[in-house]
Amino acid sequence: AQSVTQLDSHVSVSEGTPVLLRCNYSSSYSPSLFWYVQHPNKGLQLLLKYTSAATLVKGINGFEAEFKKSETSFHLTKPSAHMSDAAEYFCVVSDQGNTPLVFGKGTRLSVIA
Amino acid sequence: DAGVIQSPRHEVTEMGQEVTLRCKPISGHDYLFWYRQTMMRGLELLIYFNNNVPIDDSGMPEDRFSAKMPNASFSTLKIQPSEPRDSAVYFCASAGLAGKGDTQYFGPGTRLTVL
Repeated sequence: AQSVTQLDSHVSVSEGTPVLLRCNYSSSYSPSLFWYVQHPNKGLQLLLKYTSAATLVKGINGFEAEFKKSETSFHLTKPSAHMSDAAEYFCVVSDQGNTPLVFGKGTRLSVIA
Repeated sequence: DAGVIQSPRHEVTEMGQEVTLRCKPISGHDYLFWYRQTMMRGLELLIYFNNNVPIDDSGMPEDRFSAKMPNASFSTLKIQPSEPRDSAVYFCASAGLAGKGDTQYFGPGTRLTVL
């Protein structure tokens, strides 16, 4: 069975500094991996998706994530944080698209001016 | 496309009352999911449908919860009777032909408060 662990429940960065949100996964097969973002009082929006193509995946709003099979990681990064990036971020896994998405518990990103 | 539509956006009710949440998925999507989000438990999958048929309802917490999908463009989640611990944000999501593990598109959610 697949699972996902988000290593930080809360990350705080200053505006203009890099963002790193960490995610480790467990999967019996070649997984599909996603990052979703949830702004306050909003639904979840897809940031990016990995499905066994290029290991470095670029998403919206300057975010990207790298799939590292040897480390079973799929960390989310952004070179320079913006105030509008403050939100909850969810790392998500699915086994080859054959099982429903499994969501991590989320990482709350705060951006300080 | 208007995206996934949920109604109502907010619902306040008293304990013991029946609550019905509604969802209209994206046209052409074959999968529909209902989730519940709370501070304590995070995002939980309650039930999902494929081609209007319930596939897995193991996440439905109790018999008080029921979900239906009478056609491809409409689904309901009903709680009867409601209890204060049901207070949460309920999300509906839909996904296309690529499979139940493919990208899901979420609605804005219904914030339920049971007094």
